[in-house]
Amino acid sequence: SYELIQAPSVSVSPGQTASITCSGDKLGNKYTSWYQQRPGQSPVLVIFQDTKRPSGIPERFSGSNSGNTATLTISGTQAMDEADYSCQAWDGRKVVFGGGTKLTVV
Amino acid sequence: DVQLVESGGGLVQPGRSLRLSCTASGFTFGDYAINWVRQAPGKGLELVGFIRSKAYSGATEYVASVKGRFTISRDDSKSIAYLQMNSLVTEDTAVYYCARGDTYCGGDCYLDYWGQGTLVTVSS
Repeated sequence: SYELIQAPSVSVSPGQTASITCSGDKLGNKYTSWYQQRPGQSPVLVIFQDTKRPSGIPERFSGSNSGNTATLTISGTQAMDEADYSCQAWDGRKVVFGGGTKLTVV
Repeated sequence: DVQLVESGGGLVQPGRSLRLSCTASGFTFGDYAINWVRQAPGKGLELVGFIRSKAYSGATEYVASVKGRFTISRDDSKSIAYLQMNSLVTEDTAVYYCARGDTYCGGDCYLDYWGQGTLVTVSS
């Protein structure tokens, strides 16, 4: 089955740029989406089809996807961005998720 | 506003059954696929399965660990999707979310709206 690999945790200072990666075999040939999940809350879609932002998602969230790696970038990270971030792609039959990355803003 | 509301969770003994419901509002329910995603305590998201819209025969897919035990169905007249869970095991303990996909939910599938989740605890 298709696997998406994410680092368990990433730390960033307020105002700096956070990069969260997601790796999978030939992932660049698939569409990747990203979800933000704050503690005790439901996931929220922040990026879909590699680079698109749903309405209401701040411009500081952006995405890219090439080769075997998709990247979620948060520019000018704010304290409110501290959350778990999960990538998602299609394995040929269904969606699959990465294990999630906990973003800490310190 | 688009809304998805899960219900039916609770404490259940191993080997027993439970049916979850996902009640939708704010959009034409029959035009969209519905995914069921679960999250075990302290763990990541895992797709349980999904059901496509009637335009694509309401076809279903399941993750291997629940195939043959779980069944997803939909009643478009009531805007409700169901997750029937049989032969539950302790490893099924999780928060269960329903989430909206596009009508087919294929290679470009993404889940744009999620419910608040319902907790299922399987324990004796």
